[in-house]
Amino acid sequence: DTAVSQTPKYLVTQMGNDKSIKCEQNLGHDTMYWYKQDSKKFLKIMFSYNNKELIINETVPNRFSPKSPDKAHLNLHINSLELGDSAVYFCASSQVSGFEQFFGPGTRLTVL
Amino acid sequence: GENVEQHPSTLSVQEGDSAVIKCTYSDSASNYFPWYKQELGKRPQLIIDIRSNVGEKKDQRIAVTLNKTAKHFSLHITETQPEDSAVYFCAATPGGNTGFQKLVFGTGTRLLVSP
Repeated sequence: DTAVSQTPKYLVTQMGNDKSIKCEQNLGHDTMYWYKQDSKKFLKIMFSYNNKELIINETVPNRFSPKSPDKAHLNLHINSLELGDSAVYFCASSQVSGFEQFFGPGTRLTVL
Repeated sequence: GENVEQHPSTLSVQEGDSAVIKCTYSDSASNYFPWYKQELGKRPQLIIDIRSNVGEKKDQRIAVTLNKTAKHFSLHITETQPEDSAVYFCAATPGGNTGFQKLVFGTGTRLLVSP
C-alpha cells in the first residue's frame, strides 16, 4: 500500500555511465515531481509533470531527461553521469488542485 | 524568482522546551506555506501547512504563523520531545495559485532535542 515508490533505493555507478530511476504513485494524483537533495540537504525541484505533460523544468542540464508514460509513473534518465550528480533524488506527487506533496523514499545516487 | 530564507540552520533545545524556526519569502503572490520534517535517511513528510488567507494554524504541539505584510512565517513546536529531532524545511509556492505548484524550499533547520 506504498503511496509513492522509487527504484532503486541506492545507485552506485561510474562517471560517464547512463542510469535511470523509476517512480510510481498509487494515490491517483495528477502531478508528479523530481527533486534533488544535495549533500548540504538543499531540496531543489528539477521537473514537474501534470497528466504526462512537462510543466516545470528548472534549468536542469539536458543530460537529465524525465519521462512520464502515464500519470502514475515518472522516470528520470541521466546520461553521462558526473561527480556533481551525486545526491538523493526524490520523487513526489500531488493533486493538481491540492497542495500537499507526498514524497517517495528517495534514491541515493553515488557517482565514482 | 521566489527565494525562501530559513533560520536558524541548527537549533538545540532541552526536552520540554519550545522551538521556533523562521522563514522569509520574496514573492508576495505566494499563497501556500508548508512545513516538512525529514528524519535521518527518510523522506520529507508534511507536518503542517498554512494558506495565505489564514494567520495561524495549530495541530497539537505544532503551530505555524504567517505574516503576509512582512512576508515571513514561523514554525512553533512546544513541549519538544527527542523524537522531534530532525531537519525541518519550510517552503513557499511562488506565483500564486496556478494549479501547478512549485515548492521552493528553505535551506533547512536541524533540530536536536536533548533528553
